[in-house]
Amino acid sequence: DQQVKQNSPSLSVQEGRISILNCDYTNSMFDYFLWYKKYPAEGPTFLISISSIKDKNEDGRFTVFLNKSAKHLSLHIVPSQPGDSAVYFCAASATAGTALIFGKGTTLSVSS
Amino acid sequence: DAGITQSPRHKVTETGTPVTLRCHQTENHRYMYWYRQDPGHGLRLIHYSYGVKDTDKGEVSDGYSVSRSKTEDFLLTLESATSSQTSVYFCAISPTSGGNLAKNIQYFGAGTRLSVL
Repeated sequence: DQQVKQNSPSLSVQEGRISILNCDYTNSMFDYFLWYKKYPAEGPTFLISISSIKDKNEDGRFTVFLNKSAKHLSLHIVPSQPGDSAVYFCAASATAGTALIFGKGTTLSVSS
Repeated sequence: DAGITQSPRHKVTETGTPVTLRCHQTENHRYMYWYRQDPGHGLRLIHYSYGVKDTDKGEVSDGYSVSRSKTEDFLLTLESATSSQTSVYFCAISPTSGGNLAKNIQYFGAGTRLSVL
């Protein structure tokens, strides 16, 4: 049973527009949520995170929104750039030093 | 980039042979993890370590063992490789200092692509 779900396997966006990647979770014990970006033949790279006491965290072009009552989070990328084309993973954890539970990933393609 | 080196980067082996993958870190982080990534799945935790000689099982630990005799090295062993263990293996580390949000961030190595024929 998947605890972290990314229901859209792929997303295509034009350069300069907004990319919105979505993630749902089922485990109410999760307190920390992270987004990773992964290029082919490389390891996942940490992008941005948020704790459950917040509803928004922003870092440059990347913003993560958390709706705890809906058990939903989203990653907004504005403006999108061709270099953002990658697989994006949503991950969650209940506490530090334990497993990150990953979604299956969403492949983002940004066309110029 | 976090100082994490995985070796080898690629390996092809035969069913039934033992295989050891190595993860080496230069960050002196206490926590280290092994994940595998397969098509149709996200990353799944195999084993993790919370200190020298302290390890625990993850979600998909069957067929794998680990050892950590030094802070900087975390070894993953497939005692008798099977075709179902063909995968990409990632090592990760996380700090124990900083705020709670920082301590939940795991930093990943570049991965080892393992093929079991």
